[in-house]
Amino acid sequence: NAGVTQTPKFQVLKTGQSMTLQCAQDMNHEYMSWYRQDPGMGLRLIHYSVGAGITDQGEVPNGYNVSRSTTEDFPLRLLSAAPSQTSVYFCASGRGVETQYFGPGTRLLVL
Amino acid sequence: RKEVEQDPGPFNVPEGATVAFNCTYSNSASQSFFWYRQDCRKEPKLLMSVYSSGNEDGRFTAQLNRASQYISLLIRDSKLSDSATYLCAVNGAGGSYIPTFGRGTSLIVHP
Repeated sequence: NAGVTQTPKFQVLKTGQSMTLQCAQDMNHEYMSWYRQDPGMGLRLIHYSVGAGITDQGEVPNGYNVSRSTTEDFPLRLLSAAPSQTSVYFCASGRGVETQYFGPGTRLLVL
Repeated sequence: RKEVEQDPGPFNVPEGATVAFNCTYSNSASQSFFWYRQDCRKEPKLLMSVYSSGNEDGRFTAQLNRASQYISLLIRDSKLSDSATYLCAVNGAGGSYIPTFGRGTSLIVHP
């Protein structure tokens, strides 16, 4: 099993550009989530999904969209990138909401 | 007051030392508790769950104190390889079943 995979590993964007961070898991987990991690701020939940077709907002959802058309995939879309979105983004999955398996992360720099 | 709080450290200890971290949570209705380990520039990985009766895994012991609303992680006989950031996660801390992470405690084990 590959576990949780994320692409790209690194990305540089200009302010106003849009992009999609990809996340996939092969463990047939129902629960998937996106976090951002900033120095001194810890992990903050952006969006989460408890199953295909079901998504909800976390603590910091503004500027991000998600969809869950399949169990395996949970892409995160940045609609119009801003420097404040410079961060490390982690996707996670779990059989339930409890124990989480994290992907390797995407480091995003918005200029 | 933040829902889940940790002392950021760093805790700087010599090899072989015993070190303990605490993590306090504000919602007395919180149900599930976990410790994660995060190496520099890597994703968090589940270290252990925290049960009401406490649990031990080799050199690591996790305990829950519901009365005082904190969990603890004890590491005995510290190794250089234990150097990492230790994150606690609490389900139900924010009034929902979604896990809330602490900001992490940095541990540095030196020779």
